[in-house]
Amino acid sequence: AQTVTQSQPEMSVQEAETVTLSCTYDTSENNYYLFWYKQPPSRQMILVIRQEAYKQQNATENRFSVNFQKAAKSFSLKISDSQLGDTAMYFCAFTQMNRDDKIIFGKGTRLHILP
Amino acid sequence: DGGITQSPKYLFRKEGQNVTLSCEQNLNHDAMYWYRQDPGQGLRLIYYSQIVNDFQKGDIAEGYSVSREKKESFPLTVTSAQKNPTAFYLCASSILAVGGYTFGSGTRLTVV
Repeated sequence: AQTVTQSQPEMSVQEAETVTLSCTYDTSENNYYLFWYKQPPSRQMILVIRQEAYKQQNATENRFSVNFQKAAKSFSLKISDSQLGDTAMYFCAFTQMNRDDKIIFGKGTRLHILP
Repeated sequence: DGGITQSPKYLFRKEGQNVTLSCEQNLNHDAMYWYRQDPGQGLRLIYYSQIVNDFQKGDIAEGYSVSREKKESFPLTVTSAQKNPTAFYLCASSILAVGGYTFGSGTRLTVV
């Protein structure tokens, strides 16, 4: 069975610093998607970034980028120039491609951006 | 604007009562999902449906029931058989094989 592990339950960084959130996953599949979702205090789930496993290039979205290491089954999220609005719970997630689309979520990392 | 609507935002029920959470989408998405969120547990899948009139159990289906009579709607009933129903419930939808969900804003259920 696929699993997603986030080893950092909680992190704090100063505003404008760079922070990296860790994620590892376990699967025997070769084709899949990986995601980072953000859940701010409003509790609305927001897709931050998506990575297709067949793409070697790491995905980026403005200040957010990932380090995707397929062989190591690692998928970390880097937030550059962190802002107070980045304070949220961050979930790493996985789904197999062309199957039932169920997404498996990690337990989350609570990130605090300090002024 | 297209999206997913969950209602109500907050729901209070007495122990032993069944309660139904609403989830409606106007995105024309094929698949819909229900997740439960508890502190420190992440999101756990309750039920999902890929097509009208068909649905499958997720990892924690016991004490819950669903229906999918219309493509747009996927209500979740929390029955009295659910031992610990107090939680935050999230509904999501997706276009199959594209990858990624659109989420509703959630329903906080408190059973007293």
